[in-house]
Amino acid sequence: GAGVSQSPSNKVTEKGKDVELRCDPISGHTALYWYRQSLGQGLEFLIYFQGNSAPDKSGLPSDRFSAERTGGSVSTLTIQRTQQEDSAVYLCASSSRSAGANYGYTFGSGTRLTVV
Amino acid sequence: KNQVEQSPQSLIILEGKNCTLQCNYTVSPFSNLRWYKQDTGRGPVSLTIMTFSENTKSNGRYTATLDADTKQSSLHITASQLSDSASYICVVSAEDSNYQLIWGAGTKLIIKP
Repeated sequence: GAGVSQSPSNKVTEKGKDVELRCDPISGHTALYWYRQSLGQGLEFLIYFQGNSAPDKSGLPSDRFSAERTGGSVSTLTIQRTQQEDSAVYLCASSSRSAGANYGYTFGSGTRLTVV
Repeated sequence: KNQVEQSPQSLIILEGKNCTLQCNYTVSPFSNLRWYKQDTGRGPVSLTIMTFSENTKSNGRYTATLDADTKQSSLHITASQLSDSASYICVVSAEDSNYQLIWGAGTKLIIKP
């Protein structure tokens, strides 16, 4: 597609339920990132996928969080047994190169997760 | 600890006026600094990317400056328009991490007619 697509755009869930967030990166982008943005805060890195390499999961806040990327394209972020502190906007970004070089990210519009 | 701090936290100006947003960072070793614009309900959009050797970079009415010695950057917006209302986020990349960016909390800019 022309941009990074995320779904759903909004999700309200009850505490303790599991949720799945989806990201469709730009076609051909090998790098995919998940970030979390709490209200009034900066973006918090969660996980990074690059091609067929093992993902860097160092940013995942707990073992309730997991992510996979199938076929090097679509990614799913799963949060199990959601807690109220998980409420945030979850942003996905893709890039054609490692973002340590001066290549830009393209972000999706995010999924706003509210845990009640 | 790698950190990025932005000021002011929020700013209200009249349409047509200029403004300057500030970013201080303690990220080391420095790789590059980016300014993003984030409209409400949207993902961030890149405005500029600057490396150590670049002092200034422009993108239309947006001009970013970088002083790597004092570890400060600014984003100057000229002749503001209503569509400039957004959050402006400063992001710094460390050279020893090839994908993790350190994000500031952003400056919320409101342009009033």
